[in-house]
Amino acid sequence: AQTVTQSQPEMSVQEAETVTLSCTYDTSENNYYLFWYKQPPSRQMILVIRQEAYKQQNATENRFSVNFQKAAKSFSLKISDSQLGDTAMYFCAFMKQALNYGGSQGNLIFGKGTKLSVKP
Amino acid sequence: KAGVTQTPRYLIKTRGQQVTLSCSPISGHRSVSWYQQTPGQGLQFLFEYFSETQRNKGNFPGRFSGRQFSNSRSEMNVSTLELGDSALYLCASSRGQGAGDTQYFGPGTRLTVL
Repeated sequence: AQTVTQSQPEMSVQEAETVTLSCTYDTSENNYYLFWYKQPPSRQMILVIRQEAYKQQNATENRFSVNFQKAAKSFSLKISDSQLGDTAMYFCAFMKQALNYGGSQGNLIFGKGTKLSVKP
Repeated sequence: KAGVTQTPRYLIKTRGQQVTLSCSPISGHRSVSWYQQTPGQGLQFLFEYFSETQRNKGNFPGRFSGRQFSNSRSEMNVSTLELGDSALYLCASSRGQGAGDTQYFGPGTRLTVL
């Protein structure tokens, strides 16, 4: 069974600074997908970034980038130029690849989350 | 495109009652997944529906059930409510084609059981 671990329950960062959130996972799968979602106080779960395990290049989305280390089973999220609106719970999630086209991928497996506070 | 919508947003029920939650996926998405979020257990998968069929199921008792309609809208039902069922219930939709489809979430339904 797959597991996802986020070892930092809470973090804080000053506005405009950079912060890195950690995530490790355990799986015997070779093909899978990794995601970071954010959940602000409104509770709406919002996709931040995704990474395909078969891609060596780290994904980036504007101020958000990941450091994907497949051998180490590590998937950290870096937020540059932090903004007050980045304050949220951040969840790392794992999804395996379906066995066949049209088959179920199974569900997202989430970590416990990291509560990030951006301070002015 | 309109996002995933969930109704109602808030519900208060008493123990022993039953409840039905509704989810409308993003247009063109055929897969709908349901998750329960609680402070203690975090985010847990309930079930996934694709083309009106349950394709995957989490480890929840039979009191939790769901269905999907031909327009991909989905409902989940919880019967004989218990205090521990108080949670945020999140619905997520995806294309469902199994190629690393990203799941997009709705705003959730906050269920309180008294």
